[in-house]
Amino acid sequence: GAVVSQHPSWVICKSGTSVKIECRSLDFQATTMFWYRQFPKQSLMLMATSNEGSKATYEQGVEKDKFLINHASLTLSTLTVTSAHPEDSSFYICSAREGQKNTEAFFGQGTRLTVV
Amino acid sequence: GQNIDQPTEMTATEGAIVQINCTYQTSGFNGLFWYQQHAGEAPTFLSYNVLDGLEEKGRFSSFLSRSKGYSYLLLKELHMKDSASYLCAVKGAGKSTFGDGTTLTVKP
Repeated sequence: GAVVSQHPSWVICKSGTSVKIECRSLDFQATTMFWYRQFPKQSLMLMATSNEGSKATYEQGVEKDKFLINHASLTLSTLTVTSAHPEDSSFYICSAREGQKNTEAFFGQGTRLTVV
Repeated sequence: GQNIDQPTEMTATEGAIVQINCTYQTSGFNGLFWYQQHAGEAPTFLSYNVLDGLEEKGRFSSFLSRSKGYSYLLLKELHMKDSASYLCAVKGAGKSTFGDGTTLTVKP
């Protein structure tokens, strides 16, 4: 299957700093990437949908100025958590979909963010 | 909007068969997915159904009834490593909404 690489796997940062998470599709061109957040023992919550070359579409309640998403190429999307606070500590997961195929997107390994 | 329901927890015995149900209500339907997620890891894709019927893939099968808004994931010959959370996700217009997941515990 298609491979999606997410980096870093885990990160610890100080409150008030910014953290960038990368999501790469290694063997296919991802026209669409999705960013999710998952709190312990809860399901995945979609944060935003990112299409290559255009602005991301954010879900209701997700601050676009706090969670900056860039999808500048067909193989890379980044999520930057700006001015991180302890409540932003979570498991962030990206998924990438090739073209318009209806087979589901493939997930990256996830990034565990801890803000101290 | 979309609403997805699945049981919170299930327990089964190694070697047995277990069925995890998922019911959904959606304003648009473009497919239903099942994922497996082990603790601390990202989900992995198991199956995709867009037409009614049963899709079989090895020990795992998934069934869909669009008229009833219902799907199930069937796991046969359970292994201890099948202990995980199983997520049902419904794809609407361009995005998927996930259920809360069913935590399956396989006991010896």
